Amino acid sequence: EPEVTQTPSHQVTQMGQEVILRCVPISNHLYFYWYRQILGQKVEFLVSFYNNEISEKSEIFDDQFSVERPDGSNFTLKIRSTKLEDSAMYFCAVGTRGVLSLQETQYFGPGTRLLVL
Amino acid sequence: RKEVEQDPGPFNVPEGATVAFNCTYSNSASQSFFWYRQDCRKEPKLLMSVYSSGNEDGRFTAQLNRASQYISLLIRDSKLSDSATYLCVVNADNYGQNFVFGPGTRLSVLP
Repeated sequence: EPEVTQTPSHQVTQMGQEVILRCVPISNHLYFYWYRQILGQKVEFLVSFYNNEISEKSEIFDDQFSVERPDGSNFTLKIRSTKLEDSAMYFCAVGTRGVLSLQETQYFGPGTRLLVL
Repeated sequence: RKEVEQDPGPFNVPEGATVAFNCTYSNSASQSFFWYRQDCRKEPKLLMSVYSSGNEDGRFTAQLNRASQYISLLIRDSKLSDSATYLCVVNADNYGQNFVFGPGTRLSVLP
């Protein structure tokens, strides 16, 4: 199972501030994803990233959000001007394909808990 | 219509019980199916993939019915450590597509 780390584990910020969430996959992967989970709700897709560009994004992923992989290893999610409703757990995931299967499996990092005050 | 629906739960069962979870999905183009478990305030962790022929992993058995767009998970001889939220997950394509999560079914195994 691939190892994915995320930093910070927790972040508290004031409304309107910018936050950057980081994801570090330990081994090489092609696809990266960000998901979020508001407390008590289901996991929701935000964006997928392949070959240094966005391959798909949801309607949640508006202009306030951006992703990049600045140094070829870290994968970051930036929220430019946070809102109260951005408070959630943010999970990074990496996609990996089994040797004998075309099916992709996604493995999730431990998440960053963001609280916007 | 919601894309992935699950039994609302919660399920409270005694140790050793057998429990079954159901899941339906709306997108007939879905190709990949999974069960993840999520402990409180933790990340989703892969429990098992679900194949058309059905598959078993120890005490866990998953079934897929493409015609009915229905997925199930059966847990036999439940343990206290099985207490978690079980997430049904589908993927529209085999690779590079986002996962669509169900709302989860919470299981509490009681001593």
